[in-house]
Amino acid sequence: QQQVKQSPQSLIVQKGGISIINCAYENTAFDYFPWYQQFPGKGPALLIAIRPDVSEKKEGRFTISFNKSAKQFSLHIMDSQPGDSATYFCAASRGSNFGNEKLTFGTGTRLTIIP
Amino acid sequence: EAQVTQNPRYLITVTGKKLTVTCSQNMNHEYMSWYRQDPGLGLRQIYYSMNVEVTDKGDVPEGYKVSRKEKRNFPLILESPSPNQTSLYFCASSLLDRGLPETQYFGPGTRLLVL
Repeated sequence: QQQVKQSPQSLIVQKGGISIINCAYENTAFDYFPWYQQFPGKGPALLIAIRPDVSEKKEGRFTISFNKSAKQFSLHIMDSQPGDSATYFCAASRGSNFGNEKLTFGTGTRLTIIP
Repeated sequence: EAQVTQNPRYLITVTGKKLTVTCSQNMNHEYMSWYRQDPGLGLRQIYYSMNVEVTDKGDVPEGYKVSRKEKRNFPLILESPSPNQTSLYFCASSLLDRGLPETQYFGPGTRLLVL
């Protein structure tokens, strides 16, 4: 059972455009939502993360929008650049006093930025 | 340089031949985890560890074992590998900040082929 559903599977965006990747989750106990970026041949790297006490978090050109009632969150990449071409994974976990017990990933979105 | 190292990076083996993939981090992180990455399935957590001698199952633990005898090392053991364990494996580590991992550092990955 896929607890975090990610869409689209692949995305092509023109340079300078806005890339939007969406995720939906089922477990209402999730309270930590990170996004990871992975380049070919490399391990994933944490890009940006949000907790449900805020509806939006922005770091440079990257923004997470979070909708707790809809159980959805999305990644927006403004002014997309060819260097942003990578696979992006959303994830969710249930925090505790000891840390995230299980980090559940979406299936990934392959983003290609074309000139 | 802060990093997570994995060895070997590539491995071809046969069904039933026990193998160990090592993972080591030099950042004094409490939390360590193993993931497998398969096309169309994204990253799935195999096992994780909150600290020395504390381990727990992720989403796909069957056929795998781990141990955490030292803080820096978190080996993944396949006692009797099978072809369905052919995959790309990632180790990750993080500090625990207020009970949640703010940044997870991933290793470079180990590509395993079981014949």
